[in-house]
Amino acid sequence: AQSVTQLGSHVSVSEGALVLLRCNYSSSVPPYLFWYVQYPNQGLQLLLKYTSAATLVKGINGFEAEFKKSETSFHLTKPSAHMSDAAEYFCAVSRSQGAQKLVFGQGTRLTINP
Amino acid sequence: NAGVTQTPKFQVLKTGQSMTLQCAQDMNHEYMSWYRQDPGMGLRLIHYSVGAGITDQGEVPNGYNVSRSTTEDFPLRLLSAAPSQTSVYFCASSWSGTPYEQYFGPGTRLTVT
Repeated sequence: AQSVTQLGSHVSVSEGALVLLRCNYSSSVPPYLFWYVQYPNQGLQLLLKYTSAATLVKGINGFEAEFKKSETSFHLTKPSAHMSDAAEYFCAVSRSQGAQKLVFGQGTRLTINP
Repeated sequence: NAGVTQTPKFQVLKTGQSMTLQCAQDMNHEYMSWYRQDPGMGLRLIHYSVGAGITDQGEVPNGYNVSRSTTEDFPLRLLSAAPSQTSVYFCASSWSGTPYEQYFGPGTRLTVT
């Protein structure tokens, strides 16, 4: 069975500081990995996805994530936080071979301090 | 394109009542799904469909029914609402095959008293 663990339900950083949101997964087969963002009172929006083409994945709004198989991790980073990055972030995994069923982590709420 | 639309945005039910949450998409996506979002638990898959006439259960299907008579619509039915079904419900759609981006609706906030 697949599962996703996001370390830290709340992360707070200062504007301009590095953002690091942690995600570890377990999967018995090569996974597809995703990061989604949810702004207040909205649905989820895809930030980026890993589908085995490249281990470093660049997404929207300056975010990127690195797939590390040896560490079973897919951490999300952004070099310089902006106030507009305040949101909830979800890591998700699905199996390969055309499976759209996503298993989500618990979510990390990111707060940006001015 | 409107994308994925959900109605209603908010709903309050009494225990035992039934209702249908509506979901529609105008992107001709084969795959549609329903998730519920609860604090500290992320999103959990309730039911999904890979095309008209085909549905299957997800992780937490009990108490919910779905049907898919058209490509565009994927309603979620609560048969007899319970307080444990108080949650925010999201519908999503995507192309089938290699995992494409799933497009999420704005959600329905349901309270069962």
